[in-house]
Amino acid sequence: AQSVTQPDIHITVSEGASLELRCNYSYGATPYLFWYVQSPGQGLQLLLKYFSGDTLVQGIKGFEAEFKRSQSSFNLRKPSVHWSDAAEYFCAVGPYSGGGADGLTFGKGTHLIIQP
Amino acid sequence: DAGVTQSPTHLIKTRGQQVTLRCSPKSGHDTVSWYQQALGQGPQFIFQYYEEEERQRGNFPDRFSGHQFPNYSSELNVNALLLGDSALYLCASSSLLNNEQFFGPGTRLTVL
Repeated sequence: AQSVTQPDIHITVSEGASLELRCNYSYGATPYLFWYVQSPGQGLQLLLKYFSGDTLVQGIKGFEAEFKRSQSSFNLRKPSVHWSDAAEYFCAVGPYSGGGADGLTFGKGTHLIIQP
Repeated sequence: DAGVTQSPTHLIKTRGQQVTLRCSPKSGHDTVSWYQQALGQGPQFIFQYYEEEERQRGNFPDRFSGHQFPNYSSELNVNALLLGDSALYLCASSSLLNNEQFFGPGTRLTVL
């Protein structure tokens, strides 16, 4: 069965500093990988996704993620964080398309705190 | 484009009652998935509907059921509510050809 591990429950970063959020996955087929962000009391907003092609993908709000098949990882990065980036971040894995596919499997999330 | 909409925003029920949550998918999407997000946890997949049929189900009891209408909108029904059913219920829509799921704002269910 597929699984997603986000090893860091909380991360604190100073405003303007760089950020890396870790995500490791287990999936039997070619994965479709996602990063979502959730502000308090809100739904999930898609930051970026990866299925194939260039292993470095760019997303919204200045985020990027790198897919490393050998490490089963899909880490999220941002060169310089802003106070508005404080939120909960979820990594998810799922099948690309239908045909007997499951829904997405999410990690437990990483809570990002921005220090002034 | 209205995106994914859900109603109601909040709901309070008591144990043993039944509840119905509603979702309208993003324009152009034909597949609706439902997730339960308990406090402090990631979303957990409940089930997915396509062409008015449940095509995939997560590890949830039969108390959780759903429906999809010809206009692709969907309902989630939960019977015999338990305290543990208190959670944020998220609806996501996608196309069966491309599993990029767009989420609605969720319905916060509190069971007392």
